[in-house]
Amino acid sequence: KQEVTQIPAALSVPEGENLVLNCSFTDSAIYNLQWFRQDPGKGLTSLLLIQSSQREQTSGRLNASLDKSSGRSTLYIAASQPGDSATYLCAVTRGSTLGRLYFGRGTQLTVWP
Amino acid sequence: DAGVIQSPRHEVTEMGQEVTLRCKPISGHNSLFWYRQTMMRGLELLIYFNNNVPIDDSGMPEDRFSAKMPNASFSTLKIQPSEPRDSAVYFCASTNTGDTQYFGPGTRLTVL
Repeated sequence: KQEVTQIPAALSVPEGENLVLNCSFTDSAIYNLQWFRQDPGKGLTSLLLIQSSQREQTSGRLNASLDKSSGRSTLYIAASQPGDSATYLCAVTRGSTLGRLYFGRGTQLTVWP
Repeated sequence: DAGVIQSPRHEVTEMGQEVTLRCKPISGHNSLFWYRQTMMRGLELLIYFNNNVPIDDSGMPEDRFSAKMPNASFSTLKIQPSEPRDSAVYFCASTNTGDTQYFGPGTRLTVL
């Protein structure tokens, strides 16, 4: 069974800091990995998707890396802003069950001015 | 595109009543997923469909839960009878297999 773990569970930082959120998964036979953002009372918004053959993806101030062999991914947020405050979730799909996402519990990020 | 549409956004009902949640996926997507989110258990997959066919319903908690997808543009999740422990936010998501999943805004269900 695929298990996804995210560390830390919560993070509080001042504006301007560069951040690293961590995600690990137990089964390296993944098809892809996604990072999502969830604002309070809202649905999930996909931030980045990394295919299993890729090492990283970038979007603006966000960079996600994938080390499939070690079962790890990191989400790097540069120059954090108060608007980045949200819960960030990592999820993987397995090759044998295309489309089904296995989620971590998320990292709750607070960026204060 | 309007994105994934869910209704109702909020539902408050009494224990024992039937609850029906609705979802309209993004046009052209071939897979649809129902998730449940609680503080205790996080996000859990309940069931997913591919080309309107249920593929994996192992996450459905018990027989009180049922889901249907009569066509490519509509799905329902029904709970009968509802219980207080069913209180949660229920999300619907759609995708083309292997691509990014797009989530709806969710239905917040409260069972009294």
